[in-house]
Amino acid sequence: ILNVEQSPQSLHVQEGDSTNFTCSFPSSNFYALHWYRWETAKSPEALFVMTLNGDEKKKGRISATLNTKEGYSYLYIKGSQPEDSATYLCATNTGNQFYFGTGTSLTVIP
Amino acid sequence: NAGVTQTPKFQVLKTGQSMTLQCAQDMNHEYMSWYRQDPGMGLRLIHYSVGAGITDQGEVPNGYNVSRSTTEDFPLRLLSAAPSQTSVYFCASSKQTGTGSYGYTFGSGTRLTVV
Repeated sequence: ILNVEQSPQSLHVQEGDSTNFTCSFPSSNFYALHWYRWETAKSPEALFVMTLNGDEKKKGRISATLNTKEGYSYLYIKGSQPEDSATYLCATNTGNQFYFGTGTSLTVIP
Repeated sequence: NAGVTQTPKFQVLKTGQSMTLQCAQDMNHEYMSWYRQDPGMGLRLIHYSVGAGITDQGEVPNGYNVSRSTTEDFPLRLLSAAPSQTSVYFCASSKQTGTGSYGYTFGSGTRLTVV
């Protein structure tokens, strides 16, 4: 079992603020790191899949970085909008088994 | 393209009853899995399959059985429901296995209550 930790557990920001949160994972035997966005009453949707140390991915105002040597990934949201309100999950795998963190719940206040 | 279809969306069972949660995908994904989501616990892997005829246990397999007779379908069976199995269940599939280079596609979830 892999221990995947996310911080903070929850976050409230004003519309227009930029924010970031962290995913920590074991750095040994690393395969891949996934970020998912999970809106209330919906299913998680894949945001990014990162496999290489130093990877940076971007989708609109959301970006992510990966440091496999120290075992962490950051997710950044620039200029938060109310529609960004969701829980953001990260996951990593050992072979065929994926382990998820408990997520960061983001609320963007208009 | 329907993606991952889970049925039913809601279910109430009595302790000791059995049932099957259905999961089907139409993306020709080799990898399929079942997760349960409990408050404060995140998503925990129950069982997974890397292809038709192949299944394996995840983190919390006790009380559940799976089979994978076709690439498309991966049903989850609760053998004798217990209140501890009250949870939201998600089926997810992925294009590949092992390296984790592809993200999951999730079903819409099944909310199960055992009374």
